[in-house]
Amino acid sequence: DQQVKQNSPSLSVQEGRISILNCDYTNSMFDYFLWYKKYPAEGPTFLISISSIKDKNEDGRFTVFLNKSAKHLSLHIVPSQPGDSAVYFCAATGYGGSQGNLIFGKGTKLSVKP
Amino acid sequence: DVKVTQSSRYLVKRTGEKVFLECVQDMDHENMFWYRQDPGLGLRLIYFSYDVKMKEKGDIPEGYSVSREKKERFSLILESASTNQTSMYLCASRYRPNPGEKLFFGSGTQLSVL
Repeated sequence: DQQVKQNSPSLSVQEGRISILNCDYTNSMFDYFLWYKKYPAEGPTFLISISSIKDKNEDGRFTVFLNKSAKHLSLHIVPSQPGDSAVYFCAATGYGGSQGNLIFGKGTKLSVKP
Repeated sequence: DVKVTQSSRYLVKRTGEKVFLECVQDMDHENMFWYRQDPGLGLRLIYFSYDVKMKEKGDIPEGYSVSREKKERFSLILESASTNQTSMYLCASRYRPNPGEKLFFGSGTQLSVL
């Protein structure tokens, strides 16, 4: 059973507009969430994270929002740039489950068109 | 910056061959991981190790084994390669098993089993 779900396999956005990537989780023991970005033929790189004690974390063009009651988080990229085109993975972890390991979603492929 | 180095970017092997994938990290991290990435399936955990000589099965350990004789090195072994093990293999490390502790990934090894 998937504990971390990214229901949109792909997303296409115009350059300069906002990209919103969504992620849902089922395990209420998760208390830390991370986003990774992956280019083809490269390893994923850490992008941004959020603790369950917060509902928002911002880093430059990237903002992650957490809605614990809905078990939902989203990554906003504003403004989107062609270099943002990549696969984005949502991941969750917590002391209470998964032995502290990250549980990844299946990823969303973002395409930013010039 | 943490560096996680995987010995090969591309490998082509024959069915039935024994395959070794090597990973080295240079930051004295305690934890190391092997994932595989397949389109539409995201990142799936094969094996992980919390310390030298220790190993734990992840979500899909069948057909694989691992070795961690030194802290900086974590090897993934395909005992008898099969075509369904054609995949992108990603090694990762982190300092310790605390939620929120970032994973650092290598560049990946694209393995093709013919």
